[in-house]
Amino acid sequence: AQSVAQPEDQVNVAEGNPLTVKCTYSVSGNPYLFWYVQYPNRGLQFLLKYITGDNLVKGSYGFEAEFNKSQTSFHLKKPSALVSDSALYFCAVSHASGGSYIPTFGRGTSLIVHP
Amino acid sequence: NAGVTQTPKFQVLKTGQSMTLQCAQDMNHEYMSWYRQDPGMGLRLIHYSVGAGITDQGEVPNGYNVSRSTTEDFPLRLLSAAPSQTSVYFCASTQDRGLGNTIYFGEGSWLTVV
Repeated sequence: AQSVAQPEDQVNVAEGNPLTVKCTYSVSGNPYLFWYVQYPNRGLQFLLKYITGDNLVKGSYGFEAEFNKSQTSFHLKKPSALVSDSALYFCAVSHASGGSYIPTFGRGTSLIVHP
Repeated sequence: NAGVTQTPKFQVLKTGQSMTLQCAQDMNHEYMSWYRQDPGMGLRLIHYSVGAGITDQGEVPNGYNVSRSTTEDFPLRLLSAAPSQTSVYFCASTQDRGLGNTIYFGEGSWLTVV
């Protein structure tokens, strides 16, 4: 069975400090990993994804994520947090089931950036 | 670009009523899906479709029906609303079955069943 874990319900960080939102996964075969962001009362928006190649993936709004195969992790990072980064962040993994595309999402991590 | 459009944005239903959440996408995507989002539960897949005329159940299909008569539209029907169906519903689409494809989400439909 494939699964995604986001071990922190909430992450608090001061503006200007680096931030990390954690994600670990379990999947058979090669993982396709994603991060999405949800601002209040909005739908989810794509941030970045890892398919293959360089383990450090750069995405929108200055975010990046590091794929670590040995630790089965895909943590989201940003060198300097902004108050406007406050949102709900979802990690997701894609896998194949009967030939169909079935993504699995984590439960989400609420990021709060304090001024 | 409109992307994925959901209606209505907000809805209050009485227990036992039925309703349809509408979803349309203008990106010619093959794959469409419906999720519900509940506090602490993340996103759970209700139903999905890999193309017109083809639908399948996700993780939490009970109490919901879907159909896919066209590539663009994927409505979600609540047959007899229950308070447990109070949730935020998201329609989503992606280009095809490729595992690396980005998912595009609608803005959400907030449903309250009283």
